[in-house]
Amino acid sequence: GAVVSQHPSRVICKSGTSVKIECRSLDFQATTMFWYRQFPKKSLMLMATSNEGSKATYEQGVEKDKFLINHASLTLSTLTVTSAHPEDSSFYICSASVPAGREQYFGPGTRLTVT
Amino acid sequence: AQTVTQSQPEMSVQEAETVTLSCTYDTSESNYYLFWYKQPPSRQMILVIRQEAYKQQNATENRFSVNFQKAAKSFSLKISDSQLGDTAMYFCAFINTGNQFYFGTGTSLTVIP
Repeated sequence: GAVVSQHPSRVICKSGTSVKIECRSLDFQATTMFWYRQFPKKSLMLMATSNEGSKATYEQGVEKDKFLINHASLTLSTLTVTSAHPEDSSFYICSASVPAGREQYFGPGTRLTVT
Repeated sequence: AQTVTQSQPEMSVQEAETVTLSCTYDTSESNYYLFWYKQPPSRQMILVIRQEAYKQQNATENRFSVNFQKAAKSFSLKISDSQLGDTAMYFCAFINTGNQFYFGTGTSLTVIP
């Protein structure tokens, strides 16, 4: 149980284009989903917290117009990197929380490369 | 401010031996949850073990156990009978009653055959 999928696993895009990453909770309903960015050999950096049906809460320093988050249903959240630039290249990870136990279950991550 | 500190950036252990990863945290709250996550080379984050602060008994999951010292705000992870598949980054994490999640900086563990 508590499986989170993420799609795509890898994406290469050209500078200036937009990329959408999907995060799905497969066997449970996730009222809250999180989006993280991870640099090589570093810890996870929380970008935003997404609650179903409401606007995402962004962490300080994260541009909400650049990283668009939509949480349209209890099983799906999307992150769109708009007008991507090479510095946006990174590993993006989503997670979904299980309210009862408070733990987060993580997707397998998406490797974004902007050329 | 709430923080999670992992003071061991890298550790290694011989296969079949026991290793302990340290984690300390800082909070003024009395009720919270603590977790250890494992991130192998595949980069999939996997929940290893969880501990509820109001429970005095240390959590165990097969070869993984914790030493939870609430007064000292310490939450170490012990891995017994280390296996090659235990090679990974290990992150200590804390969540408070406001559902704010904090990760430590991670410990890279290498199991040596």
